Amino acid sequence: GDSVTQMEGPVTLSEEAFLTINCTYTATGYPSLFWYVQYPGEGLQLLLKATKADDKGSNKGFEATYRKETTSFHLEKGSVQVSDSAVYFCALRKGDSNYQLIWGAGTKLIIKP
Amino acid sequence: EAGVVQSPRYKIIEKKQPVAFWCNPISGHNTLYWYRQNLGQGPELLIRYENEEAVDDSQLPKDRFSAERLKGVDSTLKIQPAELGDSAVYLCASSPPSGSTDTQYFGPGTRLTVL
Repeated sequence: GDSVTQMEGPVTLSEEAFLTINCTYTATGYPSLFWYVQYPGEGLQLLLKATKADDKGSNKGFEATYRKETTSFHLEKGSVQVSDSAVYFCALRKGDSNYQLIWGAGTKLIIKP
Repeated sequence: EAGVVQSPRYKIIEKKQPVAFWCNPISGHNTLYWYRQNLGQGPELLIRYENEEAVDDSQLPKDRFSAERLKGVDSTLKIQPAELGDSAVYLCASSPPSGSTDTQYFGPGTRLTVL
């Protein structure tokens, strides 16, 4: 079945470091791909998305590119801040569904000043 | 604009007791979702409502879980009786008419601990 695999956390970085959180997926057809973020004590928020191969989603300095050849959607940011500390979830939406999401397990990111 | 409101934020109960969670979606959002999120995992969909109608409850354990959405606004999710394995965070989300998944707005969740 369809699945999403994320790198295990926690990921601990110093402020201004470069961030990569790996995400790979298994899916039939042409899924859409998402990154959600969950800040402490808050609900999940959509961070960015990509709906087809080679699309790049971006928001708040974060980027991810839909790579069909490697079935990946890695999240990157050039210079992280303490305020980026959160749990990040990669997810896919099956091509035949407008709401059913398949989620990764989440990666906790800790940024130290 | 107010976000999705959930209460209580935390609940601790003994096993075999009943428990209920409440969700108030964003005004105007006709689609409402309940998810369960186990520790270290992503959310799992339990049930989806379009207005008052439960259009997908295939993942809801109906022997002990029930949900309702009277008048197509607020919703309640109930567990009776609770089991140890029900300890999790229960998330509510809503989306506007004709919205697709990327427009789901999540509440902060209710963390349930069953002792």
